[in-house]
Amino acid sequence: AQKITQTQPGMFVQEKEAVTLDCTYDTSDPSYGLFWYKQPSSGEMIFLIYQGSYDQQNATEGRYSLNFQKARKSANLVISASQLGDSAMYFCAMRHDTGRRALTFGSGTRLQVQP
Amino acid sequence: DGGITQSPKYLFRKEGQNVTLSCEQNLNHDAMYWYRQDPGQGLRLIYYSQIVNDFQKGDIAEGYSVSREKKESFPLTVTSAQKNPTAFYLCASTLQGPGNTIYFGEGSWLTVV
Repeated sequence: AQKITQTQPGMFVQEKEAVTLDCTYDTSDPSYGLFWYKQPSSGEMIFLIYQGSYDQQNATEGRYSLNFQKARKSANLVISASQLGDSAMYFCAMRHDTGRRALTFGSGTRLQVQP
Repeated sequence: DGGITQSPKYLFRKEGQNVTLSCEQNLNHDAMYWYRQDPGQGLRLIYYSQIVNDFQKGDIAEGYSVSREKKESFPLTVTSAQKNPTAFYLCASTLQGPGNTIYFGEGSWLTVV
């Protein structure tokens, strides 16, 4: 069974500072992908970044980077230079590359950026 | 514009009624998904379909039904058998194969009155 754990229900960060949102996962399948999504109060799910289990380098997308530690089964999201518009819920998710191939989500972290 | 369209955005249902949520995509995606989100929680998989005319139950399929008669459409019916249907419903789609981004619609809010 696959499981995603996000242990931080809420986080605060000062504007312009960096913040790390934690995510650990559990799977016995060797081939999978890890995703991070942002959900603002409007409810839409916005894709941020993807990391494949066989990728050698950590993924980066603008101010977002993924700290992937495969042996520890962690995939933390790092947001650099936080902006007020980053305030939202953030979800970590995993999808196996075979079989069901649907996303399994964590419970989310609510990030609040303070001026 | 390409994307995933969900309708209606807001829906009120009387107890005992069935309601159908629409999900249409023009991205030529093979796979489509329905998720439910309760306040302050993560998303849970209701049903998914990887090809036309085929679909599988997710983790919380009881009280829901779907069809996939066309590649671009994946409607979800919330039946009267679903005892606690008030929630936010999200439809998603993607191309088959690893590494493909999964895109979401804007969601539908269903409230039982």
